[in-house]
Amino acid sequence: AQSVTQLGSHVSVSEGALVLLRCNYSSSVPPYLFWYVQYPNQGLQLLLKYTTGATLVKGINGFEAEFKKSETSFHLTKPSAHMSDAAEYFCAVTRNFGNEKLTFGTGTRLTIIP
Amino acid sequence: DTGVSQNPRHKITKRGQNVTFRCDPISEHNRLYWYRQTLGQGPEFLTYFQNEAQLEKSRLLSDRFSAERPKGSFSTLEIQRTEQGDSAMYLCASSLRYRGQMNEKLFFGSGTQLSVL
Repeated sequence: AQSVTQLGSHVSVSEGALVLLRCNYSSSVPPYLFWYVQYPNQGLQLLLKYTTGATLVKGINGFEAEFKKSETSFHLTKPSAHMSDAAEYFCAVTRNFGNEKLTFGTGTRLTIIP
Repeated sequence: DTGVSQNPRHKITKRGQNVTFRCDPISEHNRLYWYRQTLGQGPEFLTYFQNEAQLEKSRLLSDRFSAERPKGSFSTLEIQRTEQGDSAMYLCASSLRYRGQMNEKLFFGSGTQLSVL
């Protein structure tokens, strides 16, 4: 079975500060890993994904994440937080490239302090 | 690209009633997924279709739940004899998958919020 654990259900950072949202995964096979963002009253939107190849992946809105197999982690970062980054962020994993049956974490709500 | 559309946005029902939700995927997308999200949790996979064929169902999907995609376009999710534990956001997503493609990008709708009183 696969799972992801997101450390910290709520994270607050000041505008302009580094954003770090943590995600650790558990998988018996090489995982495909994703970060999704959910703004209020909107659908989930893909930020970035790791499948194979380069372990540092860049996504939309200046976010990036690094796949670290030795640490079973896929943390999401952004160098400088913007007010518009306030949202809920979900890490997800799938083992099967046959479909997008994703297993999501419980989410981290990001608050930006002006 | 008009996005994935879900109706209704909100549904309030009494315990024991039947409810039906509709999802209209992006027009050329051949795959359609249903997920359920409860408060404080991430979305959980329920079922998915490739065209009109339902290929997988989660164990979360009890026999009170049924999903259809009769013509490979829109899909409906019906819950019979609703229970308070069915209260959740029901999310639909669609994707276009080519033969041999490693994985596809999911596009999510805004969801239908179900409240069972």
